[in-house]
Parts: sequence; structure tokens; C-alpha cells
Amino acid sequence: QVQLQESGPGLVKPSETLSLTCTVSAGYINNYYWSWIRQPPGQGLEWIGYVSSSGSTNYNPSLKSRVTILIDTAKNQFSLILNSVTAADTAVYYCTRDIWEYIRSSRGWAYNGMDVWGQGTTVTVSS
Amino acid sequence: EIVLTQSPDTLSLSPGERVTLSCRASQSVGSSFLTWYQQKPGQAPRLLIYGASSRATGIPDRFSGSGSGTDFTLTISRLEPEDFGVYYCQHYVNSLYTFGQGTKLESK
Repeated sequence: QVQLQESGPGLVKPSETLSLTCTVSAGYINNYYWSWIRQPPGQGLEWIGYVSSSGSTNYNPSLKSRVTILIDTAKNQFSLILNSVTAADTAVYYCTRDIWEYIRSSRGWAYNGMDVWGQGTTVTVSS
Repeated sequence: EIVLTQSPDTLSLSPGERVTLSCRASQSVGSSFLTWYQQKPGQAPRLLIYGASSRATGIPDRFSGSGSGTDFTLTISRLEPEDFGVYYCQHYVNSLYTFGQGTKLESK
């Protein structure tokens, strides 16, 4: 059973860099896409970006200039780097596994959802 | 950019009742890329429905999804006490994921 665990500092100063790591249970990181999601206090979910096991990435346009997501398959980890943080970046940060299925009959891909989530880690931006 | 609008924002119901939650897209979207999640306080979201109508592993059959084009629905046939929480729809298009703002399902 695959499990995800976020780790990183719980407090980051304004203008500094937020760095989080998601550790994936051994043997489960290849052939999937992996996302970071965040949730500000009392608010809804915001997708930050994803990385594939081959290293391709895509980011939310609203955060693209400040975000980098990296993957290290040897360590079964992927990471989030968010630069120049402000109080608006205070949130619970989740990592997820994204399931994609190739449909041979239509020769296309179907999205089967974010089926595994980490427990979330709270990051506060404050001086 | 496609916007997902969920309605209502809050719904107050009692156990045993039937629940219908709406997710409307600002333009037509592929049902293969529409998912629903449930989130309880202090917990991570849980995948309920993918492909607009397929239940995820372990999800009770009282949960069902339907819809196409711009209008999608999550139905709970008979509300159980453990079903209260916030429900989000999500879509994927043009390499971007988008969430609706959520519907809070609370106990009356």
C-alpha cells in the first residue's frame, strides 16, 4: 500500500524559500505523476504543480514564476520549492499521487484522480 | 481558464436524506477528467469519483457521479453520519488541474 509523507520546516520567513519533500513508499514512485496541493486556512484546495516520474513538470500559472518541483526516483522522493514567500503562502501543503490510465480503444489517456494523499504539513509564513 | 463552480456553498441535511451536489464548468469539459473528493475536518481529501461516474476503490455505492459537458453531479443516495464534510470537484484540461470552491455538507 503506497503511502506519502510530507516533511519540511513549519515556519518560513517572508521573502525566503519554502522547501518541502514528499517521501513515497519504496518501489512506488515510477510510472506515476505526483502533485503538490495546498489549502490556506479555512479555504479550498489549490493545485500547485506536478512532476512525472521522468521529470517533466507543469505548474499552476498563478504560481509558475516562483515554483519548482523536482523528483529523485532513487530516493523515492519529490520536492516543492516556492520562492519569495509571503503570508498568502501560509497553508497546509499536501502531496498526492495522480493516476493516469491509457485507454487502448480510444488511444488516449483518462485521468483517474489523485488517489493517494499525504497527511499534509502546515507551513506558516511569518517573521 | 476553466472555472468550476459548485453549488450550493453549504447544505444542511439529516442522516438518511438524499444529497445532490452540483459542479458547473465555465465551458464544456471532458467527463474523463472530472473527479470528486471528500474532505473531513483535519484530514486530507479522499478520492470518491473519477471519470465523472466511476467510484474509487473502497467508496460505498451510495456515492454516485453523473454528468457531461458543463454540468456534473455527485449524489449520495442515503446520507450517513460519516458523510458530513466538504466536497470538491476537480478537472484536468490543458495540463492544468482546477478545483471547485467546495460544498460544505453539514448536519441539520
